[in-house]
Amino acid sequence: GENVEQHPSTLSVQEGDSAVIKCTYSDSASNYFPWYKQELGKRPQLIIDIRSNVGEKKDQRIAVTLNKTAKHFSLHITETQPEDSAVYFCAASQGFQKLVFGTGTRLLVSP
Amino acid sequence: GAVVSQHPSWVICKSGTSVKIECRSLDFQATTMFWYRQFPKQSLMLMATSNEGSKATYEQGVEKDKFLINHASLTLSTLTVTSAHPEDSSFYICSARARTDTQYFGPGTRLTVL
Repeated sequence: GENVEQHPSTLSVQEGDSAVIKCTYSDSASNYFPWYKQELGKRPQLIIDIRSNVGEKKDQRIAVTLNKTAKHFSLHITETQPEDSAVYFCAASQGFQKLVFGTGTRLLVSP
Repeated sequence: GAVVSQHPSWVICKSGTSVKIECRSLDFQATTMFWYRQFPKQSLMLMATSNEGSKATYEQGVEKDKFLINHASLTLSTLTVTSAHPEDSSFYICSARARTDTQYFGPGTRLTVL
């Protein structure tokens, strides 16, 4: 089955810096890759997703890149703000199959 | 759009009792709902996949007789933790999906078993 690895487990940056979180997946049939942001005690919120027919997607300060050959995808946050502090999870799935989540990255943005 | 609610948001119960958690899709019809469990500082662990009108599919290691799932309509799925014990204390989160691959999560239910 699918296995998703996520790095780093924690990431501390200064406000205004960029943050990059990387994930690798094992199943080459996976074609849907969402990213979720979870604040303490709250629900995971979808912040961006990408499908295997594109290599990059951007939404304001957030972008995701996908390398199908290497089977890895990354989340890029530019101009980080303290409110970006949260745990971020990547996930992968094949079509309508279940999502397999990474282990999460705790992002801390210091003012 | 794509709002998922969960009830209750938290519950405290005595060991040996059963607890029912509801998950509702408020503005869309959820053909599939998922139930996750999340321990502190850990990732989401899928417990089961629930399709409307059919039996749930449980992940390996999840006891189907202990975690009863019912998905009787396109907007409601329930998870019943039977004979709960302290080790069942966790954050239980549902998600729902319509006829796309995008999952939307409920706000979660914090279960504490004394």
